[in-house]
Amino acid sequence: QKEVEQNSGPLSVPEGAIASLNCTYSDRGSQSFFWYRQYSGKSPELIMFIYSNGDKEDGRFTAQLNKASQYVSLLIRDSQPSDSATYLCAVRPLGDYKLSFGAGTTVTVRA
Amino acid sequence: DGGITQSPKYLFRKEGQNVTLSCEQNLNHDAMYWYRQDPGQGLRLIYYSQIVNDFQKGDIAEGYSVSREKKESFPLTVTSAQKNPTAFYLCASSIVNTGELFFGEGSRLTVL
Repeated sequence: QKEVEQNSGPLSVPEGAIASLNCTYSDRGSQSFFWYRQYSGKSPELIMFIYSNGDKEDGRFTAQLNKASQYVSLLIRDSQPSDSATYLCAVRPLGDYKLSFGAGTTVTVRA
Repeated sequence: DGGITQSPKYLFRKEGQNVTLSCEQNLNHDAMYWYRQDPGQGLRLIYYSQIVNDFQKGDIAEGYSVSREKKESFPLTVTSAQKNPTAFYLCASSIVNTGELFFGEGSRLTVL
């Protein structure tokens, strides 16, 4: 079983819609959760992190964490063509400082 | 400006040659990492280092070597033993306590 799993997509959404990305992880003791955005040919950039159960909002982005279900999600509201990218979920397992990455979900926003 | 500098951005290599990718950071981060990314794939950890003069193998260390002689620098050598080295290589650093990674712009290696 992979440590961090994401739907590979591609996820296609119309402009203005909500894009919903999901991530599950295997280590129940994981402490910290990160969402990175990666444009084609570029390096990943951090867009959100979350440590506690519940929702965390930053602009059009909302991260949701449910530790009991070992599930973290990212919602992108009012999706824009500039949101078209691959989104990587990363998890910091218990007792480790390295992050484990999912394979990423590719999002395409249709104008 | 604080950040991570990788060089070269693009590199072509003939089979059988070793190449070294440079990574320098001025963020004063303790930990540094090298990842490999293949097309349509996630990030795979090659090597990582928490302190100077110490480093550990990641998931795919075979055919690679690193050194950490200075806090700011963590070069990666892709040796001729690496069977399929064509990939996008990413260097990153972090504050150990938070785990948040900061990435360089990447180095794209192509073996001819």
